Amino acid sequence: EDQVTQSPEALRLQEGESSSLNCSYTVSGLRGLFWYRQDPGKGPEFLFTLYSAGEEKEKERLKATLTKKESFLHITAPKPEDSATYLCAVQADTGGTSYGKLTFGQGTILTVHP
Amino acid sequence: GAVVSQHPSRVICKSGTSVKIECRSLDFQATTMFWYRQFPKKSLMLMATSNEGSKATYEQGVEKDKFLINHASLTLSTLTVTSAHPEDSSFYICSARRAGVNNEQFFGPGTRLTVL
Repeated sequence: EDQVTQSPEALRLQEGESSSLNCSYTVSGLRGLFWYRQDPGKGPEFLFTLYSAGEEKEKERLKATLTKKESFLHITAPKPEDSATYLCAVQADTGGTSYGKLTFGQGTILTVHP
Repeated sequence: GAVVSQHPSRVICKSGTSVKIECRSLDFQATTMFWYRQFPKKSLMLMATSNEGSKATYEQGVEKDKFLINHASLTLSTLTVTSAHPEDSSFYICSARRAGVNNEQFFGPGTRLTVL
């Protein structure tokens, strides 16, 4: 069974204080690892997809990296508007009628104080 | 960009009634759509996978007769909660998989269902 564990559950940062969120996973053949941002009462917003160990992607203050067991979401000099829940999900390399399904971690609630 | 809409955004209904939620991919075709349920401060739990033109695949523990899913076209999937009860109150979110483009999934804004 595919499993995704995110840590920490909650993270409080001061504006400008860089940090990292962790996503550990076990999956029977990784097709892709996804990072999403979710604001309260809204659907997840797509951030990144990573496909193979060693891959890195950046978007503004965010940088996602991937190893064979975990992914990190690095936040550089965060601003209050970066406050949200960050979700990690894996997609297994399986076929069938559930092709493409995502297994989500429980999320990290990030709060950035001004 | 890839936009997915859901309608309605909020619905309040009486116990025993049925509620239909629509999920549309506005600017791309989605051969596969997914329906999730999210409880407060919890992560998304996949309910079912909806493939255009075929029966939905339900996750273990999800009652297919209670949560009816129809994926009639490449841009529309519907979830009907039949004979709703207060325990069905939740945040329902759909996603659409944009085939052939890095296999990305895009989520709708969600529907808040409250059953009185």
